[in-house]
Amino acid sequence: AQSVTQLDSQVPVFEEAPVELRCNYSSSVSVYLFWYVQYPNQGLQLLLKYLSGSTLVKGINGFEAEFNKSQTSFHLRKPSVHISDTAEYFCAVRFTTLNAGGTSYGKLTFGQGTILTVHP
Amino acid sequence: NAGVTQTPKFQVLKTGQSMTLQCAQDMNHNSMYWYRQDPGMGLRLIYYSASEGTTDKGEVPNGYNVSRLNKREFSLRLESAAPSQTSVYFCASSEAHVGAYGYTFGSGTRLTVV
Repeated sequence: AQSVTQLDSQVPVFEEAPVELRCNYSSSVSVYLFWYVQYPNQGLQLLLKYLSGSTLVKGINGFEAEFNKSQTSFHLRKPSVHISDTAEYFCAVRFTTLNAGGTSYGKLTFGQGTILTVHP
Repeated sequence: NAGVTQTPKFQVLKTGQSMTLQCAQDMNHNSMYWYRQDPGMGLRLIYYSASEGTTDKGEVPNGYNVSRLNKREFSLRLESAAPSQTSVYFCASSEAHVGAYGYTFGSGTRLTVV
């Protein structure tokens, strides 16, 4: 089964320190990759996405992620975090499915989430 | 603001009661989705509608039904609520089910079944 694994359920970090949130997925076939952020009592917002091209993707709020096909990973990074970055972060993958008409990409599969807590 | 609107935001049900969660989007998206969010389990797909007139089961459809009323609206019904259905429910929409599209999420419905 296709799956998405976020390797850390919680990541505490001090303000202005760098952070990396890790995400691995199960399939080596073509995928589309996404990171979402969820602030307390809110819905999910798109941070960034990888569709094709450069493996380093830049998103909003200073976040970036690197696609590594051989490692089937899509880790999220920020060089200097702020208190306001405290939130839960979700990695999501759109896996390839094959239909009669050829390749297609269906629904998103989400990881379990990583709670990032930034301390002053 | 354009987006996905969910109602109600909060609900408490007694075991065995029924209710319908409403979702509407105004972005002319073709595809709509219902997820539930539980601590440590991420988001799990309940049902989805790839296009108006079609619905399909996701990972955890048992105990739920859906209706794609029109292109804008996609409702989720609990016929006989159980405590295991206590969760936060999110509706999402996408331009299309296939292709390089992300989702736009609503703000969620917090449901407690006692």
